[in-house]
Amino acid sequence: GGIITQTPKFLIGQEGQKLTLKCQQNFNHDTMYWYRQDSGKGLRLIYYSITENDLQKGDLSEGYDASREKKSSFSLTVTSAQKNEMAVFLCASSISSRRQNTLYFGAGTRLSVL
Amino acid sequence: GEQVEQRPPHLSVREGDSAVITCTYTDPNSYYFFWYKQEPGASLQLLMKVFSSTEINEGQGFTVLLNKKDKRLSLNLTAAHPGDSAAYFCAVMTGANTGKLTFGHGTILRVHP
Repeated sequence: GGIITQTPKFLIGQEGQKLTLKCQQNFNHDTMYWYRQDSGKGLRLIYYSITENDLQKGDLSEGYDASREKKSSFSLTVTSAQKNEMAVFLCASSISSRRQNTLYFGAGTRLSVL
Repeated sequence: GEQVEQRPPHLSVREGDSAVITCTYTDPNSYYFFWYKQEPGASLQLLMKVFSSTEINEGQGFTVLLNKKDKRLSLNLTAAHPGDSAAYFCAVMTGANTGKLTFGHGTILRVHP
């Protein structure tokens, strides 16, 4: 089996600050995803990447950048943190982006903005 | 695009009782369906995936029913125990070439001893 590691687990930022979240997977999966989880709102897709150096926008990409530096890692940047923002950011990976592929998730990064 | 409604948002049952969580979706072309469990502070763990037109899948202590005619997916915990307390999410996959996953808003289940 593999594992998805997200760092940091907790992130406290200041309003307007640029914040970077990191994700590593050792499944050797091609596709990686970043989701945002808000209480009572399920998961919303921010960005995904189907291979190294590829980037695809999700439903919630505004206010974020992402980078797929290599196959095993996918980072997400909050370009300007919003005051009182609180959310969990979940990284996931799958064998490919094609039909019938299961997503495996990391434990999440919990963001609080003061 | 696809919309997924999950009910109820909160569910509290006694140990040994059954617990049913239901998702309805709108896109008739959706073709792959998932249930995930998330314990506090942990990642989403895949419980089960189904894709046949009408399917009942049984896992350890739970049953998943898919009815594509009604566009309804349900998770039934047959005899809940405190270890089942968690958030549960359904997810529906659409998209002809690339699978786009739409999640329900989640159900927080509490099982009381």
